[in-house]
Amino acid sequence: ETGVTQSPTHLIKTRGQQVTLRCSSQSGHNTVSWYQQALGQGPQFIFQYYREEENGRGNFPPRFSGLQFPNYSSELNVNALELDDSALYLCASSLPGFDTEAFFGQGTRLTVV
Amino acid sequence: GENVEQHPSTLSVQEGDSAVIKCTYSDSASNYFPWYKQELGKGPQLIIDIRSNVGEKKDQRIAVTLNKTAKHFSLHITETQPEDSAVYFCAASNGNTGNQFYFGTGTSLTVIP
Repeated sequence: ETGVTQSPTHLIKTRGQQVTLRCSSQSGHNTVSWYQQALGQGPQFIFQYYREEENGRGNFPPRFSGLQFPNYSSELNVNALELDDSALYLCASSLPGFDTEAFFGQGTRLTVV
Repeated sequence: GENVEQHPSTLSVQEGDSAVIKCTYSDSASNYFPWYKQELGKGPQLIIDIRSNVGEKKDQRIAVTLNKTAKHFSLHITETQPEDSAVYFCAASNGNTGNQFYFGTGTSLTVIP
């Protein structure tokens, strides 16, 4: 167990709806990154938060947004859901720095119908 | 941006044999290369990593090699066991972007008892 917890574990939404996914980082970790993993693919970087500020973003549209709270937990929000948003969403927490170990949660499986 | 390619996509070995997974990357600025193991229904778990100032690293049955000139790195698992069966991902990141990883597409390893 990594100490990174995500909720919910599974979610079904209808196209056009909005969704919020949550992540509690490992104790002491102030950096949280979100990844999207489509079936059979490697995770793709969405964005990273460090001390409540966005600290880098991958090639995802603005309808993917996030927050980080003072306790370093984080949310991923996706608006106007599309069928292609169906994927496993992973959260990873780490200490700051370019080569510190990142610990992943178990993910949230989002299905858009 | 960075592009990480991973081969093979599937690999079957007999228990006790060795397994090798290879990755190439495109961005010469990448300098941190972790390997993750993902079991069904779980998030990726770090198994070994290597930094660009090191050519090889070993941890019991697992080793990673890095060739910066050729921009490729490999995972070697010796004396494979059935519990090694999982999907393995390589990843790359650079010091400018922190733990913002570019992942390969994964290798599904099956160890046959």
